[in-house]
Amino acid sequence: DAEITQSPRHKITETGRQVTLACHQTWNHNNMFWYRQDLGHGLRLIHYSYGVQDTNKGEVSDGYSVSRSNTEDLPLTLESAASSQTSVYFCASSVSGRETQYFGPGTRLLVL
Amino acid sequence: SQQGEEDPQALSIQEGENATMNCSYKTSINNLQWYRQNSGRGLVHLILIRSNEREKHSGRLRVTLDTSKKSSSLLITASRAADTASYFCATDAYDYKLSFGAGTTVTVRA
Repeated sequence: DAEITQSPRHKITETGRQVTLACHQTWNHNNMFWYRQDLGHGLRLIHYSYGVQDTNKGEVSDGYSVSRSNTEDLPLTLESAASSQTSVYFCASSVSGRETQYFGPGTRLLVL
Repeated sequence: SQQGEEDPQALSIQEGENATMNCSYKTSINNLQWYRQNSGRGLVHLILIRSNEREKHSGRLRVTLDTSKKSSSLLITASRAADTASYFCATDAYDYKLSFGAGTTVTVRA
């Protein structure tokens, strides 16, 4: 069965360190998204991609970057982790940006 | 910024009762979606209703959409303990992206 996976599921890091969160989908979807979820804010879009070599900034992109070298993967990099980036991160994919999105299980990140 | 806002923020009901939650949004949409999130898990798609539809059913779920009022409701009938979760509406106001609300937390008591 097709799926979307994230790794690691839990991560503790220190401020200033670079961190990369992995997202891998086997749906063969062109569209992939990264969100962060914080209490009281719902899901906020960090970055998204509509295909290989395409990346776009979302509403909370400062301090984050992504790259899309193939259809299956969209890694999210925190260039220099800050305590404000402590959050739960979700990756999602879809056939079309307006249609159903399929979510990964999430990565819980703690920045000390 | 959030396009959709759910109401109420939290809801506690007895098993077997119906649960109703609402979503209001600000700008015109092409479709509106509802997702469920169980504790510690990712979001799972429940139902999508298009702007030219007024009501849609899926099992024990009933979704309505009133584009004139820019609002939607999700009704869960005959609730079960397994329905305990957070429920989010998502709208696609512009640029082929979804905007999620902050969610309604539903607790179903045995």
